[in-house]
Amino acid sequence: AQTVTQSQPEMSVQEAETVTLSCTYDTSESDYYLFWYKQPPSRQMILVIRQEAYKQQNATENRFSVNFQKAAKSFSLKISDSQLGDAAMYFCAYRGPQVQGAQKLVFGQGTRLTINP
Amino acid sequence: ETGVTQTPRHLVMGMTNKKSLKCEQHLGHNAMYWYKQSAKKPLELMFVYSLEERVENNSVPSRFSPECPNSSHLFLHLHTLQPEDSALYLCASSQEGVGGPKRYEQYFGPGTRLTVT
Repeated sequence: AQTVTQSQPEMSVQEAETVTLSCTYDTSESDYYLFWYKQPPSRQMILVIRQEAYKQQNATENRFSVNFQKAAKSFSLKISDSQLGDAAMYFCAYRGPQVQGAQKLVFGQGTRLTINP
Repeated sequence: ETGVTQTPRHLVMGMTNKKSLKCEQHLGHNAMYWYKQSAKKPLELMFVYSLEERVENNSVPSRFSPECPNSSHLFLHLHTLQPEDSALYLCASSQEGVGGPKRYEQYFGPGTRLTVT
């Protein structure tokens, strides 16, 4: 079964600095999808960024970028120019290959990110 | 309304009560999901519906009963719950199969905070 591991329960960063959140996963598949979600105190899960395993180029969304290392099964999230509004729980999630019908996301345990002003 | 909505946002019920959680997606998606988020545990998938057909039941106790009358609505019927069922229940939707660049991305509702007394 696929598993997702986030080894950093908590992280903190100074406002305007850069922080990297780690995620590793275990799968025997070659085609899959990886996501980072953000869950602020409101508890609303918000999609931050996605990465398709077949793409070699790392995904970027404004201040958010990933470092996808397929051989190492590593998928870290880098947040540049951290802002107070970035404070939240961050979850890494895995989705298996394209098959007919829907598939679940497998989530990591989450990393709580604190932004220090 | 936009995105994914859930009602009620908060629910307190006794162990002998019967209640229902409602989810509605306004994104034109063809798959819907129920997840459970407990303290100190990763998000756990409960049920998946694809094109209104249940495709996964993740060993959930029978006191939880899902219903998907159409591709926009999803219900979770609750009866004779236990205190350990207290959690945040999240609904999500996605577009599966052939589609645009946002396919397979799951979009979440704000959740229902359930307390069983």
